[in-house]
Amino acid sequence: QVQLVESGGGVVQPGRSLRLSCAASGFTFSNYGMHWVRQAPGKGLEWVAVIWNDGINKDSADSVKGRFTISRDKSKNMLYLEMTRLRAEDTAMYYCARDVGQFSEWLFYFDYWGQGTQVTVSS
Amino acid sequence: DIQMTQSPSSLSASVGDRVTITCRASQSIRTYLNWYQQKPGKAPSLLIYEASSLQSGVPSRFSGSGSGTDFSLTISSLQPEDFATYYCQQSSSTPPTFGQGTRLEIK
Repeated sequence: QVQLVESGGGVVQPGRSLRLSCAASGFTFSNYGMHWVRQAPGKGLEWVAVIWNDGINKDSADSVKGRFTISRDKSKNMLYLEMTRLRAEDTAMYYCARDVGQFSEWLFYFDYWGQGTQVTVSS
Repeated sequence: DIQMTQSPSSLSASVGDRVTITCRASQSIRTYLNWYQQKPGKAPSLLIYEASSLQSGVPSRFSGSGSGTDFSLTISSLQPEDFATYYCQQSSSTPPTFGQGTRLEIK
């Protein structure tokens, strides 16, 4: 069965960096686009970034552009989010999620989600 | 960015009730509208995709409709496990955006 397991969250000071990981299993990882979506405490959902199955095409939200980098390792079935220059407003639960589309089919909605990893930015 | 507005923000209902949640887009998104359910402490799960298609494994009491800018999610007969928060999401253009959520509570 499809599984997505995030890790790497924690408490970090403003201005510092953190790398989140998402281990994927139960499906052909290299076929699918993968996303990060976050949820601030008590708030709604915010899309963060996408990387396509080719590992080359990427996009991210304006709120994180230039600070966060999404990447993937097909050999390890891993998705990453490198977060730099963290701000208090980046405090959230971060979910990795699979795009419904495969290959060049960019559907931008999400059929499987991980359980999330909490990031808290605080001095 | 396309803004998504849900109403109501919260709703109290009883088991067996028929409930409808609405979602409005700031511009036409054709039928690129999806609905998720989120229970406390859990990740969201996909219920309805492309306005009216039921995701595999989702009970048939859930249904979706709409096109253009106005959409709705209906639960025909509320079950205890349906009390949760519901989000709409547009996938018409990037960035994908979500509504603010509708919290469905037990009356």
